[in-house]
Amino acid sequence: KNEVEQSPQNLTAQEGEFITINCSYSVGISALHWLQQHPGGGIVSLFMLSSGKKKHGRLIATINIQEKHSSLHITASHPRDSAVYICAVSRDSNYQLIWGAGTKLIIKP
Amino acid sequence: DTGVSQDPRHKITKRGQNVTFRCDPISEHNRLYWYRQTLGQGPEFLTYFQNEAQLEKSRLLSDRFSAERPKGSFSTLEIQRTEQGDSAMYLCASSLVWLQGQETQYFGPGTRLLVL
Repeated sequence: KNEVEQSPQNLTAQEGEFITINCSYSVGISALHWLQQHPGGGIVSLFMLSSGKKKHGRLIATINIQEKHSSLHITASHPRDSAVYICAVSRDSNYQLIWGAGTKLIIKP
Repeated sequence: DTGVSQDPRHKITKRGQNVTFRCDPISEHNRLYWYRQTLGQGPEFLTYFQNEAQLEKSRLLSDRFSAERPKGSFSTLEIQRTEQGDSAMYLCASSLVWLQGQETQYFGPGTRLLVL
């Protein structure tokens, strides 16, 4: 079983829909990261969370430490949000990132 | 553009050849990471440096792989005697670690390697 699991693997939605991507992890962590990867490989860090909730523009990330679960939400989705969204965790003992397999999001106009 | 650059962006080589990739991190960042990503998978950790010291290497990093970060600035990743299984995207990331457990990694655009 992978230490970081994401769902769904693939998600296609219409422009304007509310999007939720989920991440569950099974190890002790110091922080959880949400990252965005565009075609061609460029990766951008969206959020780093250790508790609670963070918001940036139309993106919202939440984490429940007790349940070892995080969600990334996109409100009023737009075709330019189409990308792979990756959840990764930093373990308690070191700073390595353990990565989920990613969620491929396609927003249709 | 995150400020992390990698060179080359693409490399095609024949099996058995040696290749070297370079990563230039954000200048004040003290940590530098190398990851490998194959198609459809999330990135896999290879190794990381704290300044010029290589602190950890993944078991994925066979003896054919070597990484250096002389002077704690840019880093190179060399693959000797390349194999077709080495074909992947090689990603570099840098971060400034100033508080226990708190860092944001900034990723370069990656070097895509194809071994024929």
